[in-house]
Amino acid sequence: GAVVSQHPSRVICKSGTSVKIECRSLDFQATTMFWYRQFPKQSLMLMATSNEGSKATYEQGVEKDKFLINHASLTLSTLTVTSAHPEDSSFYICSAATGQPQETQYFGPGTRLLVL
Amino acid sequence: GQNIDQPTEMTATEGAIVQINCTYQTSGFNGLFWYQQHAGEAPTFLSYNVLDGLEEKGRFSSFLSRSKGYSYLLLKELQMKDSASYLCAVMDSNYQLIWGAGTKLIIKP
Repeated sequence: GAVVSQHPSRVICKSGTSVKIECRSLDFQATTMFWYRQFPKQSLMLMATSNEGSKATYEQGVEKDKFLINHASLTLSTLTVTSAHPEDSSFYICSAATGQPQETQYFGPGTRLLVL
Repeated sequence: GQNIDQPTEMTATEGAIVQINCTYQTSGFNGLFWYQQHAGEAPTFLSYNVLDGLEEKGRFSSFLSRSKGYSYLLLKELQMKDSASYLCAVMDSNYQLIWGAGTKLIIKP
């Protein structure tokens, strides 16, 4: 149980385009989903926390207009990187939790974004 | 401020035992997690401790001492596939996960 999928697994795009990444909890309902970014050889950096049906909470320094998050249902959250630039190239990972306190976060397989 | 400390890198031999330590200073405590992350992949959940003591799960065990702000992950009978980064994360009083930078474990034959 507790499987999280992420799509696409890898994307290459031109600078200035927008990229949408989907995160789905396959066998449980996730009231809370998290979006992380990880640069090579660095630790996870939390970008935002999203709760189903409400606006995402962004971490300091993360532009909410650039990284659009939609958590439309209990099993789906999307991250859209708008007007992507080469510095946005990174490994984007989502995780999902049921929302209970002390609940474990289960991670999707990640999306590797390369902006040319 | 909130802080999680763990060694940057450790090396061990196949078949041996290794202990990865994690110390933390956080505003409140609602549990400590260990995750394994292979290069180029997302983290996978290993263990969760909220009470003092040792939790054993196969070859992996995790220990917690809340009074000392200390945890360790113990890996026995090391296999080459255990080469990975091991991330310590603490859930604070706001139920936010505070992540350590991870310990890269290198297993040698």
